[in-house]
This record gives sequence, structure tokens and C-alpha cells, in this order.
Amino acid sequence: QVQLQQWGAGLLKPSETLSLTCVGYGGYFSGYYWSWIRQPPGKGLEWIGEINYSGRTNYNPSLKSRVTISVDTSKNQVSLNLSSVTAADTAVYYCARTPYDSSGFYSTFIDNWGQGTLVSVSS
Amino acid sequence: DIQMTQSPSTLSASVGDRVTITCRASQSITVWLAWYQQKPGKAPKLLIFRASSLESGVPSRFSGSGSGTEFTLTISSLQPDDFATYYCQQYDSYPWTFGQGTKVEVK
Repeated sequence: QVQLQQWGAGLLKPSETLSLTCVGYGGYFSGYYWSWIRQPPGKGLEWIGEINYSGRTNYNPSLKSRVTISVDTSKNQVSLNLSSVTAADTAVYYCARTPYDSSGFYSTFIDNWGQGTLVSVSS
Repeated sequence: DIQMTQSPSTLSASVGDRVTITCRASQSITVWLAWYQQKPGKAPKLLIFRASSLESGVPSRFSGSGSGTEFTLTISSLQPDDFATYYCQQYDSYPWTFGQGTKVEVK
């Protein structure tokens, strides 16, 4: 069973860039999409975007102008950058593993989650 | 975006109760729906995928049904470990979207 470990800065000021990294241990890295999801305190889940082993990305249009997701296949790592953060970006950020659908092209549900990283934005 | 609406938002129940949570999609998502359980301070856990397929290791008291726009998650006999918040998620069309959550609390 793959284990996802994530890390990054937990306190940012408005206008700074959020940067998080996630590494997968013990699993088959290349056969999945790798997603980022966030959850503001006391609220629901929001899908941010995803990347596959080949670097193909899909982003939530609501965040697309500020988001970059990248992959380092040599290290089994995926990274999230979110620019120009505001207090509204305060949330727990999760990296997650997403299997392909039967076509082998699209992602599906999330079958493995990282532990989450609380990122707070405050001046 | 496809809007996912769960009902109820909060459900009060007792151990042993049969519990049903509903998730409605704003347009047809055929069977591309997953259910997750989340406990405070923890990441969500996959319970059900493809509307009715039970994830490996998940107790059989959990079941999912539905297609098109209406789906249900049923817990046949609520156990102490099941008090948590439950979310549905559609993966029919990007962006993937989640319901707002249903909190199952002690009655």
C-alpha cells in the first residue's frame, strides 16, 4: 500500500506563493494520476487539480490561473504551487492518488490520501 | 461544474440504526460517484466507488446505490466507529466536485 507524505510551509502572508510537495512510498507511482484537494477549516472538499506521470495536468477552472502542479518522476514527487494567496486559501491541503478509468486516459476517485498540511494565510 | 447536493447535512442516529444519506447531481453522472468517510483531523477514506463498488477492506455494512442523478449511501447497522462526516464526489466531468458533507452524530 502506497504511503503519501507531504510537506511545505504552513504560514504565508497574502500575495505569497504556496508550495507543497508530496512523495509516494511503496507503490506503483507511474500508473496513477496525482491530485491535490483542499479543505478550508470546518468546510467541505475542493478539488484543485491533478497530474499524471507523463505530466498531463487538469486544473479546477476556479483556480487555474494561479495553480501549477508538477511531477518529478525520478523522485516519485508531485508539487503544488498556488500563487497570490489570500486568506480564502487557508485550508488543509491534501495530496492524493487517483486511479485511471478503463480508458486509461481520465482519472477517477481518490483511493489514497496524504496526511494533509494546514496552510494558513495571514498578514 | 456539476453541483453535488447531499441530504441531510446532519443526521442524528443511534448504534444499530440503519442510516441512509442521499447525494444528488445537477446533471447525469451515470455511475461515476464515490463516497468517502472523514473523521476529525484525518484525511478522508474511500468507501464506495462507481456508485456501488465496495472498496477493499471496508465493512459490508456500507453499501451504495443509484445512477444518473440520485445516489444513496446506506449503513445497515450503525457502529460506534461510523460517527463521522460523509462526502460524495463525482468523477464524470471535470472539475471533480464534492457534496457539502453529511455529519452523522450521536442521537
